[in-house]
Amino acid sequence: DAGVTQSPTHLIKTRGQQVTLRCSPKSGHDTVSWYQQALGQGPQFIFQYYEEEERQRGNFPDRFSGHQFPNYSSELNVNALLLGDSALYLCASSGGRDKNIQYFGAGTRLSVL
Amino acid sequence: AQTVTQSQPEMSVQEAETVTLSCTYDTSENNYYLFWYKQPPSRQMILVIRQEAYKQQNATENRFSVNFQKAAKSFSLKISDSQLGDTAMYFCAFMKIRQETSGSRLTFGEGTQLTVNP
Repeated sequence: DAGVTQSPTHLIKTRGQQVTLRCSPKSGHDTVSWYQQALGQGPQFIFQYYEEEERQRGNFPDRFSGHQFPNYSSELNVNALLLGDSALYLCASSGGRDKNIQYFGAGTRLSVL
Repeated sequence: AQTVTQSQPEMSVQEAETVTLSCTYDTSENNYYLFWYKQPPSRQMILVIRQEAYKQQNATENRFSVNFQKAAKSFSLKISDSQLGDTAMYFCAFMKIRQETSGSRLTFGEGTQLTVNP
């Protein structure tokens, strides 16, 4: 049973560029949440997708957008990258009998130069 | 809005000994969950233990147990018989219970780096 998978593992971009990160949820899960974790800090909630719609959103600008596909996988898009967007981006999936337990992937490390 | 505070940035413990990590939180909610996650150098966040606020009994998972004090808004994690593999960053997290089918968001503290020494 595959857990939550994220791709790519690492990514290097320059300021002003756009980036897309991908997440496949754990089998049986229908909800995907995205978090940003700056170095040395706790993760911050970006948004959550369920039934292909954004259901909740944290305090992040519109440059951060997402999508969920019919197979429950999800993408996180960040436009007009800033140096401050450098972070570990974590995807978590939930669903099934206990929707309140989130299982995390290993993250995508984004570096903006 | 909820806040979670972990006042110990770093802690260390000898192998086989017991260590307690502290966490306090602030919320006006009455129904919620509290979690401890660990994040080893591999970066993957792993669930350690969960506590439902409406349950008075403290949760336990093998060597891991919590001391949940709802009135004091305190939620500490005790690790017994510490092992080298317990070395990781530990995060305390809060989740408000929502009735919607999609569940809710996690609010994390800043983390405590635990090092288990041989």
